[in-house]
Amino acid sequence: TQLLEQSPQFLSIQEGENLTVYCNSSSVFSSLQWYRQEPGEGPVLLVTVVTGGEVKKLKRLTFQFGDARKDSSLHITAAQPGDTGLYLCAGAARDDKIIFGKGTRLHILP
Amino acid sequence: GAVVSQHPSRVICKSGTSVKIECRSLDFQATTMFWYRQFPKQSLMLMATSNEGSKATYEQGVEKDKFLINHASLTLSTLTVTSAHPEDSSFYICSATRGVPQETQYFGPGTRLLVL
Repeated sequence: TQLLEQSPQFLSIQEGENLTVYCNSSSVFSSLQWYRQEPGEGPVLLVTVVTGGEVKKLKRLTFQFGDARKDSSLHITAAQPGDTGLYLCAGAARDDKIIFGKGTRLHILP
Repeated sequence: GAVVSQHPSRVICKSGTSVKIECRSLDFQATTMFWYRQFPKQSLMLMATSNEGSKATYEQGVEKDKFLINHASLTLSTLTVTSAHPEDSSFYICSATRGVPQETQYFGPGTRLLVL
């Protein structure tokens, strides 16, 4: 069974600090997506990474796809309260299903 | 583009009634739509995958007679929770892809169901 392990599960930091969340697997994925979900809303796509070693930036968010396409990271610089939410990674499994990690719940304290 | 809507956003019903939730892709044709369930502070749990014009594929442990899925067009899928009970109370989210199932999914805003 292919799994995506996200860490940490919970993270609470002060505004202005930097942080990194991880999405790891023992399996290779053809692509990985990162989503952010706020309470009572559906997940919103942040980025899709496809190529091993790829780095994508979205303002203060930097996404990296591992060279072997088994893991990914999301780094946030100078976190702001608006970054608070549940961050989910998702990848296409061998049987064409999309599998989700359990998420990292991020809380930025003002 | 790639906007997905859900209706209703919230629904409260009595135990034993049936509830229909609609999922629409507003600006693209969705070859595949997915239905998820999410419990408080947990990740998404895939319930079923539906392709236009064919029967939905349900995940293990999801009762197909309980959760009826219809994907009648390339822009609309419906989930009907039949004879709802309090344990069916949850946040239901749909998503859609434009092409093959493993493409990026675009999510609806979710429907919160409360069964009294």
